[in-house]
Amino acid sequence: EDQVTQSPEALRLQEGESSSLNCSYTVSGLRGLFWYRQDPGKGPEFLFTLYSAGEEKEKERLKATLTKKESFLHITAPKPEDSATYLCAVQAMYSGGGADGLTFGKGTHLIIQP
Amino acid sequence: NAGVTQTPKFQVLKTGQSMTLQCAQDMNHNSMYWYRQDPGMGLRLIYYSASEGTTDKGEVPNGYNVSRLNKREFSLRLESAAPSQTSVYFCASVPLRGRGYEQYFGPGTRLTVT
Repeated sequence: EDQVTQSPEALRLQEGESSSLNCSYTVSGLRGLFWYRQDPGKGPEFLFTLYSAGEEKEKERLKATLTKKESFLHITAPKPEDSATYLCAVQAMYSGGGADGLTFGKGTHLIIQP
Repeated sequence: NAGVTQTPKFQVLKTGQSMTLQCAQDMNHNSMYWYRQDPGMGLRLIYYSASEGTTDKGEVPNGYNVSRLNKREFSLRLESAAPSQTSVYFCASVPLRGRGYEQYFGPGTRLTVT
């Protein structure tokens, strides 16, 4: 069974204080690992896809990295507008029972204080 | 280009009532998905449709039915609503099944069953 665990559940930072969010996963062959941002009352917004260990992707103050067991979302010098819940999800190469879709973690609720 | 749209945005039902949640996408995507999001549970896959005319069960299909009306539209029906179906429902679409394509999410339908 595919599993995704995100830590911490919640994180409060001061503006400009860099940190990292963790996503640990177990999957029967990784097709892709996804990071999404979700604002209150809205649907998840796509950020990154990572396909293989060692891959890195960047977007503004965010950088996502991938190893064989976990992914990190690094936030450099965050601003209040980066406050959101960040979701990690995996897609397996071979999904049991024919189910196709993403397996999500519970998310990290990030608050950036001015 | 509206992306993925969902109606209604909010709905309150009484136990035993039925309703259909509507989803449409204008991106010419082949695959569409229904998820539910509950506090502390993360997003879970209910049903998906790999292509027009096909539907398959996800992780939590009990109590739901779906219809892929055409390539654009994918509806989710609750035949006899139960309080356990109180949740936020998200529809998503992806260009092609497989290969780790990112899923695009709609804004969600917030359903309360009393």
